[in-house]
Amino acid sequence: DAGVIQSPRHEVTEMGQEVTLRCKPISGHDYLFWYRQTMMRGLELLIYFNNNVPIDDSGMPEDRFSAKMPNASFSTLKIQPSEPRDSAVYFCASSRTSGDSQQRDEQFFGPGTRLTVL
Amino acid sequence: ILNVEQSPQSLHVQEGDSTNFTCSFPSSNFYALHWYRWETAKSPEALFVMTLNGDEKKKGRISATLNTKEGYSYLYIKGSQPEDSATYLCAFWNGGSGTYKYIFGTGTRLKVLA
Repeated sequence: DAGVIQSPRHEVTEMGQEVTLRCKPISGHDYLFWYRQTMMRGLELLIYFNNNVPIDDSGMPEDRFSAKMPNASFSTLKIQPSEPRDSAVYFCASSRTSGDSQQRDEQFFGPGTRLTVL
Repeated sequence: ILNVEQSPQSLHVQEGDSTNFTCSFPSSNFYALHWYRWETAKSPEALFVMTLNGDEKKKGRISATLNTKEGYSYLYIKGSQPEDSATYLCAFWNGGSGTYKYIFGTGTRLKVLA
């Protein structure tokens, strides 16, 4: 398997523009997570999905951020309009539920998208 | 508010030294704890999945223990090597609020000096 795939790897945009980040999870994984890494806050969970359904979006900073998962192999994180303070590395990760106890396995992270908003 | 604390924030050790870090989490509604290793300019990579009180896991020179009753986990590195230099993160699944929450600690940055 190729692992978690994210695109683009780098994005530079101007304030006010719409930004769309994309993620393809590992095949067979039923959980997908979006994170933001900043110097100030470290790794922050923005939202996670289980079987394509958003479960916890309490980390989404504000209405400018939205995430979708239309099917098991694709998710997007959209920022509209973007602001300079959104500049960060955005990671996508996926994991699976395994075993009778529904234990949640570790997450596998994509390479991240480095977003710069000018 | 659920909080996961890691200590120390950072440390420097000499090659060959053994070291350990702590991850503290709320003991109620515990579901699972994960340890990750995060090298600079890379993505976090999982080390251990821990679910049961008393769990001990080992991978090479790295091992971890779990105490869910008192809410802590230890990560040990025996005979540190320069390639162990990274940030070590713990993350915790909590199931008490109706929605399962996944929370990362702020990490321990380890630098192993040759």
